[in-house]
Amino acid sequence: EAGVAQSPRYKIIEKRQSVAFWCNPISGHATLYWYQQILGQGPKLLIQFQNNGVVDDSQLPKDRFSAERLKGVDSTLKIQPAKLEDSAVYLCASSLVYGAAPNTGELFFGEGSRLTVL
Amino acid sequence: DAKTTQPPSMDCAEGRAANLPCNHSTISGNEYVYWYRQIHSQGPQYIIHGLKNNETNEMASLIITEDRKSSTLILPHATLRDTAVYYCIVRWNDMRFGAGTRLTVKP
Repeated sequence: EAGVAQSPRYKIIEKRQSVAFWCNPISGHATLYWYQQILGQGPKLLIQFQNNGVVDDSQLPKDRFSAERLKGVDSTLKIQPAKLEDSAVYLCASSLVYGAAPNTGELFFGEGSRLTVL
Repeated sequence: DAKTTQPPSMDCAEGRAANLPCNHSTISGNEYVYWYRQIHSQGPQYIIHGLKNNETNEMASLIITEDRKSSTLILPHATLRDTAVYYCIVRWNDMRFGAGTRLTVKP
């Protein structure tokens, strides 16, 4: 079974530039998550999708971050304009179920996209 | 806003059991306890989860206290490859990570 695919693996940009990250979840996984992990910290949930609808984006800095999941499959996370403090690894994860049966909702993570903002 | 408290770091001798504690005193009745670990430069990896009863799989055992306010992850025979950051998470729908415990397994 193919895992969660993310690209690009590495990206270096200058502040005020824009960047986009792509995630392809495991086939059939309805729930998709984007996390931001700053060096030395645990992953911080940015946004959670159920199919193509947003379940939780309370920690997404909406003035500069946006995410979409068209057709309930692939997802894109965009940062525009980037700031120095956005330097982090952006992790995408997917899971099979949501809500009623959380005990089967193991999250599968991709390898992440490492962003460096200069 | 993690609902768990874990020690920032622990050491364990190779071949011995590693016991990682987690406090989750505000856990509600329908929230599960999940454990993940993250080896350097990789995405977090699922280990085990439970609701009330103790659980065991090929990787670890999870002991949850009767009042569910704390739990312990047990790696029965730690190896050098178990060196990682271990995260304890209480979950209903979302999955929010805290800072975790950095476990170092020493020869």
